[in-house]
Amino acid sequence: DIQMTQSPTSLSASVGDRVTITCRASQSISSYLNWYQHKPGKVPKLLIYATSSLKSGVPSRFSASGSGTDFALTISSLQLEDFGTYYCHQSYTAPFAFGPGTKVDI
Amino acid sequence: EVQLVESGGGLVKPGGSLRLSCAASGFTFSSTWMSWVRQAPGKGLEWVGRIKSKTSGGTTDYAAPVKGRFTISRDDSKDTVYLEMNSLSSEDTAVYYCTADQTLGGVIVHGYWGQGTLVTVSS
Repeated sequence: DIQMTQSPTSLSASVGDRVTITCRASQSISSYLNWYQHKPGKVPKLLIYATSSLKSGVPSRFSASGSGTDFALTISSLQLEDFGTYYCHQSYTAPFAFGPGTKVDI
Repeated sequence: EVQLVESGGGLVKPGGSLRLSCAASGFTFSSTWMSWVRQAPGKGLEWVGRIKSKTSGGTTDYAAPVKGRFTISRDDSKDTVYLEMNSLSSEDTAVYYCTADQTLGGVIVHGYWGQGTLVTVSS
């Protein structure tokens, strides 16, 4: 089964900061990598699919890149509403898997 | 509007069983692959398993921790997906989310989520 890792585990940043979260797969997953945002008491929300495609309605300050085993999510100018936990997710092959998450505090 | 409503959660003793349901509306359920994702208290999201549509074979896949104990099924006549859970342990305590999966850019994503139902395994 494919394992996903993320770093950092958590980060604290200020409004306007540029933030990058990295994700690594235990084997190549091509571009089958997605990113979700999860806030306490809310339902997880899809932000990015297929490595770098922004879901409709997601602010353009979010971007992502990568291929194979190494991926990254960047928030170009952090906003207050961006707090929460971010998860990468591989859907290359079942069983699918989420990364352990990166908690973003502002 | 897409709606996913989970039910069936609650308190169950270790070794016990529970069946969760997820009633879907607002989309063509029969052609949609459905998944279950859980989040244990203080932990991250964990993929549990999925069931393909019948036209795609209706097959299931499971995460290693639940394989052999959990079974996902679907009733397209009721637009409902089920998660049958057996031999439960405290490690299965979690909020269980039902998701409706989409293919975006050729990649499967958990596009729509229910609100979740809490399963607590405790004596």
